[in-house]
Amino acid sequence: AQKITQTQPGMFVQEKEAVTLDCTYDTSDQSYGLFWYKQPSSGEMIFLIYQGSYDEQNATEGRYSLNFQKARKSANLVISASQLGDSAMYFCAMNPESNRLAFGKGNQVVVIP
Amino acid sequence: ETGVTQTPRHLVMGMTNKKSLKCEQHLGHNAMYWYKQSAKKPLELMFVYNFKEQTENNSVPSRFSPECPNSSHLFLHLHTLQPEDSALYLCASSQQGGGYTFGSGTRLTVV
Repeated sequence: AQKITQTQPGMFVQEKEAVTLDCTYDTSDQSYGLFWYKQPSSGEMIFLIYQGSYDEQNATEGRYSLNFQKARKSANLVISASQLGDSAMYFCAMNPESNRLAFGKGNQVVVIP
Repeated sequence: ETGVTQTPRHLVMGMTNKKSLKCEQHLGHNAMYWYKQSAKKPLELMFVYNFKEQTENNSVPSRFSPECPNSSHLFLHLHTLQPEDSALYLCASSQQGGGYTFGSGTRLTVV
């Protein structure tokens, strides 16, 4: 079974600063995908970024980048230049070979002006 | 606006009521999912459908009954629910091996 761990408490970040959200995972699969989703208070889960386990370069998508350390089984999300609209819950997820997306418990981020 | 549409957005129902949640996707995906999100808990996968066939039921109580009439539509029929069933119910779709696209969810309150 897969396990995704997000242990940081709620985070406050100053507008325009960067924030790193930690995610570690546990799997015996060789091939898997790592995802980050954003969930604002409206409830919708918004896809942010994807990293394949065989990708050699860290994924980037606009202000989002994924710090992928395969040996450590970590996939931290970095949000640069935070904006007020970034306030939300952020979920790390993994999609193993069985294709059953497993989620962590999430990190709450609040951006303050 | 996402490619996955869920209705209604909010639902309040009594424990003796029968209601249905609807999910629709026009992304051409072949898999659809129901997730339950309760406060302070990880998302819980409830049901999985691949090509309209149910392939997974994660020990969900029978008061939740899914239906997938075609690969674009997914329903969750609810009857005799309990207050602890109050949660956000999220629908998602995917292509095999691909990422999931989620709907906005239905926020259910059982009174």
